[in-house]
Amino acid sequence: GAGVSQTPSNKVTEKGKYVELRCDPISGHTALYWYRQSLGQGPEFLIYFQGTGAADDSGLPNDRFFAVRPEGSVSTLKIQRTERGDSAVYLCASSSPISANVLTFGAGSRLTVL
Amino acid sequence: AQSVTQLGSHVSVSEGALVLLRCNYSSSVPPYLFWYVQYPNQGLQLLLKYTTGATLVKGINGFEAEFKKSETSFHLTKPSAHMSDAAEYFCAVTRGPGGGADGLTFGKGTHLIIQP
Repeated sequence: GAGVSQTPSNKVTEKGKYVELRCDPISGHTALYWYRQSLGQGPEFLIYFQGTGAADDSGLPNDRFFAVRPEGSVSTLKIQRTERGDSAVYLCASSSPISANVLTFGAGSRLTVL
Repeated sequence: AQSVTQLGSHVSVSEGALVLLRCNYSSSVPPYLFWYVQYPNQGLQLLLKYTTGATLVKGINGFEAEFKKSETSFHLTKPSAHMSDAAEYFCAVTRGPGGGADGLTFGKGTHLIIQP
């Protein structure tokens, strides 16, 4: 597609529920990044993929968070047993091999845990 | 580890006045540096970047930034503010030696307010 697409744009869930957030990167972009942006803060790195593999998942806060990219394109961020502190905007970005340091961001998925 | 400090969570300027947003970084490797802008309910948009070469870089919408290694700074400027510049601005540095392929570390952001 023309840009990075993220769905849903808004998600409201209850504490303890399971949530999936989807990211569809720009076609041909091999690298994909997930960030979390809490209110009044800058984006915080979670994980990035090169192709299908997670090259660095050191930013995932705990084992309730998991992300996959099975075919090297679309990625899903999965959050189990959600907590109120998980409420944030989850941003996805992708980059091409030619311009690896130019990240193109999606509009984000706003997660609210009640 | 790489880090970014943005001085001033909020900056207010009059329309037509100089815009100066401050960014200092810490990096154990030669840094690549970036400024992104975020409008309400939108994703981050790249304003400009410094990788190598000329230390004064020009970006979109009339913004520019100068890399000063001795001061570990990468301040963003615009000679004359416009109402449409009101947004959140983020400074970022490459996370590691991969030139940005392994992602960026962001500052906390500066909210730019333009007064008519």
